Amino acid sequence: DTEVTQTPKHLVMGMTNKKSLKCEQHMGHRAMYWYKQKAKKPPELMFVYSYEKLSINESVPSRFSPECPNSSLLNLHLHALQPEDSALYLCASSHGRTGSYEQYFGPGTRLTVT
Amino acid sequence: AQSVTQLGSHVSVSEGALVLLRCNYSSSVPPYLFWYVQYPNQGLQLLLKYTSAATLVKGINGFEAEFKKSETSFHLTKPSAHMSDAAEYFCAVSGTLTGTASKLTFGTGTRLQVTL
Repeated sequence: DTEVTQTPKHLVMGMTNKKSLKCEQHMGHRAMYWYKQKAKKPPELMFVYSYEKLSINESVPSRFSPECPNSSLLNLHLHALQPEDSALYLCASSHGRTGSYEQYFGPGTRLTVT
Repeated sequence: AQSVTQLGSHVSVSEGALVLLRCNYSSSVPPYLFWYVQYPNQGLQLLLKYTSAATLVKGINGFEAEFKKSETSFHLTKPSAHMSDAAEYFCAVSGTLTGTASKLTFGTGTRLQVTL
């Protein structure tokens, strides 16, 4: 099973709202990732968790706050977003073993900020 | 630094024709290379991966890719296109971050259109 699930599928939020995106995998992967994808562009890496510890933050604004409660779950907390933050947010996971670097992606959450 | 270049942002083929999507990479170390497919409003699906075990890699849905070190290429092919192959295709190269997590560097993508 190579499934990564994401909820919700769609989210519309105002600039003053607080919301969260959720990602879950049960493949025993120890590395998890958040990406942002704008239309007709490749995914851009936002955050990387390795063994539940944040290892990479790609200079993402503080209005995005990641959280990894356990090895299967990854959250992205959103607060005071801007319209330009509207995008497809993708979660991915990988084994976390040396030499096994392929990432498995979830279906994404389509976020619209009004 | 690692990078990939996808030649052709848009490729159009007839149903039943050969599909060829081009990817060239740049890497100072032996690369791990991947092809992903993305259908509209969906996530990325792994098509195939090169990890140095074999230069010709077979993937899902009849796709394959050949790693050519001399040409620094990893082109994706399929002998006969099907309407369901219409999608966005991304080539990616992986570098390690911490020895456990990986960092994928994506190409700009190629949109494949399949016509009747």
